[in-house]
Amino acid sequence: DSGVTQTPKHLITATGQRVTLRCSPRSGDLSVYWYQQSLDQGLQFLIQYYNGEERAKGNILERFSAQQFPDLHSELNLSSLELGDSALYFCASSAQVSSGNTIYFGEGSWLTVV
Amino acid sequence: AQSVTQLGSHVSVSEGALVLLRCNYSSSVPPYLFWYVQYPNQGLQLLLKYTSAATLVKGINGFEAEFKKSETSFHLTKPSAHMSDAAEYFCAVTGGTSYGKLTFGQGTILTVHP
Repeated sequence: DSGVTQTPKHLITATGQRVTLRCSPRSGDLSVYWYQQSLDQGLQFLIQYYNGEERAKGNILERFSAQQFPDLHSELNLSSLELGDSALYFCASSAQVSSGNTIYFGEGSWLTVV
Repeated sequence: AQSVTQLGSHVSVSEGALVLLRCNYSSSVPPYLFWYVQYPNQGLQLLLKYTSAATLVKGINGFEAEFKKSETSFHLTKPSAHMSDAAEYFCAVTGGTSYGKLTFGQGTILTVHP
């Protein structure tokens, strides 16, 4: 158990809908990362937050947004869903943002868009 | 920009044989390198990491990796494969101003047969 908690574990929704994925980082970790894992794209970095502020943005679509709340939990919002958004979405956390910090991953949220 | 190339999307070994999973990286700054393992339907678990200390890094479950700057490589090895090692393995790099975010390779699926 990494200490990173993600909900829901599985989600099936229709095209055009909106979903929210939730993440609780490890106790004491200030940085949260979101990754998308799909068969064709592999593991892609989406976005990173540190202590409530956005720190880095990767290949995140405009239809997707995220935030980190004062209690450090984070949410990833996916809207106008398309079939291609079906993937495993990982949340990860680390204590700081410096390179070399170990990043711990949750077990992921499986999103299926039908 | 940083990148990782994992040579061989599938590696198959016999139980008791040497495991060698190849990883080459590209980085314009001193890299920090990681190996993660993903078992079926689970999240990513850290095996080991290189953070500019010893070039030979020992990890969990008997795995180790050696950082070779001249070859820009960070290959993962295990002297004797066990059936429980069957999983997908990911090499990742970070460093510089990447704020700790990881760039992953495409993964290598390790199959261990009796």
